[in-house]
Amino acid sequence: EIVLTQSPATLSLSPGERATLSCRASQSVSSYLAWYQQKPGQAPRLLIYDASNRATGIPARFSGSGSGTDFTLTISSLEPEDFAVYYCQQRSNWPPGYTFGQGTKLEIK
Amino acid sequence: EVQLVESGGGLVQPGGSLRLSCAASGFTVSSNYMSWVRQAPGKGLEWVSVIYSGGSTYYADSVKGRFTISRHNSKNTLYLQMNSLRAEDTAVYYCAMGRIAGIMDVWGKGTTVTVSS
Repeated sequence: EIVLTQSPATLSLSPGERATLSCRASQSVSSYLAWYQQKPGQAPRLLIYDASNRATGIPARFSGSGSGTDFTLTISSLEPEDFAVYYCQQRSNWPPGYTFGQGTKLEIK
Repeated sequence: EVQLVESGGGLVQPGGSLRLSCAASGFTVSSNYMSWVRQAPGKGLEWVSVIYSGGSTYYADSVKGRFTISRHNSKNTLYLQMNSLRAEDTAVYYCAMGRIAGIMDVWGKGTTVTVSS
């Protein structure tokens, strides 16, 4: 089973700052890596798929990069509405299935 | 408008069964990749199961042999039959749709399952 490890667990930043979130896979997932944002009491929202493609309606300040085992989600300039929990997620062909990372909480400093 | 609405959650005793439903509108369930994802209280997201457009089904090890994912094409609805429920199955259960394999780009609001005596 592929394990995704996100770091840091908590990131404290101020609006306007740049956020860099990391996701590391225990083995290569090629580019089958997605990022989601979840706010309290809400369902997750897809931000990035296939490592670097923004989902429909996602602002350009969100970008993803990486391949193989190391991936990064970057928020170029934090807006107040960006403070939330972020999860990475992979799809594996064998064993077939999906896995989420444990999440990174982005909080206001 | 593309929408998913879950139902069927509730309180059930350990060892009991429950069937969750997810009614879809604005798209065809059978043409997409449909998943169930759960979130225990105060915890992160856990993928539960997926059914591919071709009909293949896959499960997390934690639910394999106990849960069954299915769909009813004419009702455009996704289901999750949950048997032999345990306290650790307590969670909000979300259904989600992916237009391509490996992603979940439309989510429902979730339904809560509580397993307790």
